[in-house]
Amino acid sequence: EVQLLESGGGVVQPGGSLRLSCSASGFTFGTYAMSWVRQAPGKGLEWVSGFSDSGLDIYYSDSVKGRFTISRDNSKNTVYLQMDSLRGEDTGIYYCAKDGGQWLEDWGQGTLVTVSS
Amino acid sequence: SYVLTQPPSVSVAPGKTATIPCGGNNIGRKSVHWYQQKPGQAPVLVMYYDSDRPSGIPERFSGSNSGNTATLTISRVEAGDEADYYCQVWDSSSNHLYVFGTGTKVTVL
Repeated sequence: EVQLLESGGGVVQPGGSLRLSCSASGFTFGTYAMSWVRQAPGKGLEWVSGFSDSGLDIYYSDSVKGRFTISRDNSKNTVYLQMDSLRGEDTGIYYCAKDGGQWLEDWGQGTLVTVSS
Repeated sequence: SYVLTQPPSVSVAPGKTATIPCGGNNIGRKSVHWYQQKPGQAPVLVMYYDSDRPSGIPERFSGSNSGNTATLTISRVEAGDEADYYCQVWDSSSNHLYVFGTGTKVTVL
């Protein structure tokens, strides 16, 4: 059974930083692309960042490019999202998701990030 | 980037059929995937490649895609189908890999 467990969320002031982690199990982690998707309170889903299926290419949405950095440690079955220069509009639940091809076939339960002074 | 448009809400009586459209420019040329999200829960994949169901998803869920509209259809709607539904496409032409629709709230009357 695939399990994705996010951690690292919390309350941070505008301009601050947070590092999210997603620990994966139940599949061969190193052979799958992974993504982060967020959801602002009461809003829809927004893809944030992810790896290509080769794992060699990294992509970011325009809204986070230059501020967020995605990385992975295959030895620890973990994907990270370093979030810097945080803004109020970055507030929301951040989900880690496993790529299924051109879709996201498994999702974690999410971690809440609140950017507020 | 590519834009997907969904109606904010759809209401349906139990036992009837719910139809959830997802509009996009020539979306019929793309593969469309659908997610169900219940309150306080993570999204769950309910349809991929337009009309394929992941294991565990009831046959009551079906999908189609043609022209400028993809559709998720839920037959014999049950109270447990009440949720938000999002369509999604893969946009390899841009840096925005996964493009989500605006979401549709399905209410079971």
